[in-house]
Amino acid sequence: DAKTTQPNSMESNEEEPVHLPCNHSTISGTDYIHWYRQLPSQGPEYVIHGLTSNVNNRMASLAIAEDRKSSTLILHRATLRDAAVYYCILRYNGGSQGNLIFGKGTKLSVKP
Amino acid sequence: GAVVSQHPSWVICKSGTSVKIECRSLDFQATTMFWYRQFPKQSLMLMATSNEGSKATYEQGVEKDKFLINHASLTLSTLTVTSAHPEDSSFYICSARHYRVPQYFGPGTRLTVL
Repeated sequence: DAKTTQPNSMESNEEEPVHLPCNHSTISGTDYIHWYRQLPSQGPEYVIHGLTSNVNNRMASLAIAEDRKSSTLILHRATLRDAAVYYCILRYNGGSQGNLIFGKGTKLSVKP
Repeated sequence: GAVVSQHPSWVICKSGTSVKIECRSLDFQATTMFWYRQFPKQSLMLMATSNEGSKATYEQGVEKDKFLINHASLTLSTLTVTSAHPEDSSFYICSARHYRVPQYFGPGTRLTVL
């Protein structure tokens, strides 16, 4: 599986936007970009995923570079409940193949 | 999003005993289920993948005789830790997926072996 690189940690102020970067220079054409987050002592929570075009949902936006070698998860207004470890994961989405392999992720701290 | 439950949420057992953890997909049929393990301050590590009615596929280094996985139906998978020892103490998380939809995770089970 292609690897991703994320900063170990980031800080944000409450109610401000947060841009979480992810580099995936070895991404293949069939890899989808998935983002999950994990709060302490909980299972990961699905945030968003995309292939080539930017994606929006109620939780966040995903901006994908034109060459697909990087992407950015955007939280439009951070809240204290958004403090978590955010994982950027590549997964082959063809049929039933492809497992989610977790890296170290980015620990996001949100200051009131 | 879809709901995946786990039971129990935490369990304490004596060394040498076996522990069974259940994982259920509550509102969808899971064609594939996954089991992960997470040690403190570490990321999730995939242990095994199972498809309904088939034998599980274990990741390298995971002992299949120690971690028994049964995926008997499209909504239920179980992980049995046999002859548990203190080093098996960890946070066990299951996940479920139906073909191409996102993979959804359970809340996790904290296992402590005394």
